[in-house]
Amino acid sequence: EIVLTQSPGTLSLSPGERATLSCRASQSVRSSYLVWYQQKPGQAPRLLIYGTSSRATGIPDRFSGSGSGTDFTLTISRLEAEDFAVYYCQQYDTSPQTFGQGTKVEIK
Amino acid sequence: QVHLQESGPRLVKPSETLSLTCTFSGGSISSFYWSWIRQPAGKGLEWIGRISTSGGTRYNPFLKSRLTMSVDTSKNQFSLSLISVTAADTAVYYCARAEPDTANFDSWGQGILVTVSS
Repeated sequence: EIVLTQSPGTLSLSPGERATLSCRASQSVRSSYLVWYQQKPGQAPRLLIYGTSSRATGIPDRFSGSGSGTDFTLTISRLEAEDFAVYYCQQYDTSPQTFGQGTKVEIK
Repeated sequence: QVHLQESGPRLVKPSETLSLTCTFSGGSISSFYWSWIRQPAGKGLEWIGRISTSGGTRYNPFLKSRLTMSVDTSKNQFSLSLISVTAADTAVYYCARAEPDTANFDSWGQGILVTVSS
């Protein structure tokens, strides 16, 4: 299976700062099959980005995704209070689909 | 408005069967893929398997030998059955929806905590 390694494990930032989250795959993932989710405590994950760079319905444009091959990035241009959460990447290019272990974005 | 709700026993004894149902409302269950995903406390997400409304299934190979999924379109429900459970199966179980031929989970249930313990 494809292992997704997310870094850093925890990102401590202040509101208004830029967040850059990394997702590295153990083998190449086609761009159409790389997805990002946001999860807040006690809640289900929420779809943020699909196909590496397409924002899901209702997702603000401060969230953006990029990357190709084995290296993918989620960027939050200016953090707002509601963005402090855990973020997961997911691939479904190769079965079984897998998730990264998550990056926690916390308030500094 | 799309809504998914998981239901089933929250406590299962070791070696027994974990059975959950997801009920979908706010649209038609047809033309989507329906998945189960679980999350042990404090840990990441694990995809369990998915079923289409035609009944086609795809399971995580790590769980395949213990797993059965089914769908009842007349009730807008799909179900999970996991046999021979152990403490390692303790987790929050989510049901989720994806567009056909994708695994972009755009709608999720709230999750149900299932504990395996005697």
